[in-house]
Amino acid sequence: DIQMTQSPSSLSASVGERVTITCRASQTISNYLSWYQQKPGKAPKLLIYLASSLHSGVPSSFSGSGSGTDFTLTISSLQPEDFATYYCQQSYSPPLTFGQGTKVEIK
Amino acid sequence: EVQLVESGGGLVQPGGSLRLSCAASGLSFSDYWMNWVRQAPGKGLEWVANIKRDGSEKEYVNSVKGRFTISRDNAKNSLYLQMNSLRPEDTAVYYCARDPSTGDPTWHFDLWGRGTLVTVSS
Repeated sequence: DIQMTQSPSSLSASVGERVTITCRASQTISNYLSWYQQKPGKAPKLLIYLASSLHSGVPSSFSGSGSGTDFTLTISSLQPEDFATYYCQQSYSPPLTFGQGTKVEIK
Repeated sequence: EVQLVESGGGLVQPGGSLRLSCAASGLSFSDYWMNWVRQAPGKGLEWVANIKRDGSEKEYVNSVKGRFTISRDNAKNSLYLQMNSLRPEDTAVYYCARDPSTGDPTWHFDLWGRGTLVTVSS
């Protein structure tokens, strides 16, 4: 199975700050990487697919990059509604696996 | 409105069974691969199973193979998860989730239900 490792596990940031979350796959997955946002008590929401494609309706402040084994989710200017937990997921092959999550908290 | 609504969760004893349902509306259900994804309390996301548009192909995470069965009824726009021999570690919120492709699967999820909680405890 492909293991996905995110870093950091949590971070504190202020509104307006630039935030970067990284995700590493245990083997190469080309660009088959998705990012999700989850708020407490809610279902996850798709942000990015195929490493850098923005899902419909997602603000352009979110961007993704990377290929192979190393990927990045960037929030260019953190907004109050962006405080949440973020997960990466490999979409290369089943069993589909997620990272452990990165909780973004208010500083 | 396009939505997925799960039901069927509850409290069950270890070794027991439960059947989850996911009702789809506002979409052409039979066009999409469908998935179950779960989340244990305070933990991360875990993909559980998926099923092809016509139900002819199914895959499972190793931890549920032989115990869980995914199925669908396209005439009823519904997805199911039959869970047998339940264990405490199966305690989680179970989400149904859609693969956005109407062709080959993309293996990511663009539409999620709100989830249903399954608690396995004596």
